[in-house]
Amino acid sequence: GQQLNQSPQSMFIQEGEDVSMNCTSSSIFNTWLWYKQDPGEGPVLLIALYKAGELTSNGRLTAQFGITRKDSFLNISASIPSDVGIYFCAGQLSGGSNYKLTFGKGTLLTVNP
Amino acid sequence: GAVVSQHPSRVICKSGTSVKIECRSLDFQATTMFWYRQFPKQSLMLMATSNEGSKATYEQGVEKDKFLINHASLTLSTLTVTSAHPEDSSFYICSARDWKWETQYFGPGTRLLVL
Repeated sequence: GQQLNQSPQSMFIQEGEDVSMNCTSSSIFNTWLWYKQDPGEGPVLLIALYKAGELTSNGRLTAQFGITRKDSFLNISASIPSDVGIYFCAGQLSGGSNYKLTFGKGTLLTVNP
Repeated sequence: GAVVSQHPSRVICKSGTSVKIECRSLDFQATTMFWYRQFPKQSLMLMATSNEGSKATYEQGVEKDKFLINHASLTLSTLTVTSAHPEDSSFYICSARDWKWETQYFGPGTRLLVL
């Protein structure tokens, strides 16, 4: 089956620094999604990408859908303490009746004030 | 918009009892909902896909008679954990697919503890 490799597994940064994380897949996806999960909460959608090569921003967050459709990255600029949490990438191969998401294993982000 | 609710947020039950968890899409219609299970420090594991008006599709290794799913309307899906045992203790999360944007929105999760 499809697998997503998400890296890094964890990051410890100082407030104000920029962050970058990425996901690679063994096969293509039609949609890439980035979620953030706080402890004890469900994942919250940050950015959705629908086209290969697409670059989308949401405030301090920027994500890109790789041109090969097998990878995506998420950048966070000027990090703040509330950015702490686990970030998950997810790929979706839509069409027909298959809308299941394949998740990466997550990147745990810690921001030191 | 795109709000998904779950109820209850946490539940403690005795071994052998059944627990029902509700998942609702509050401001959009969801023909498809998904149920996930998440263990501490791990990613989400898909349990089943719930389609409105039809039987759920279960992932390999998930017992359909153990985890009963009903998707009776375009805004509600329920997961019933039957004859719960301590090993069923976990964080259960639902998601609802917004067909217009082909994205999934997640509920806040339900923490189940079986004693």
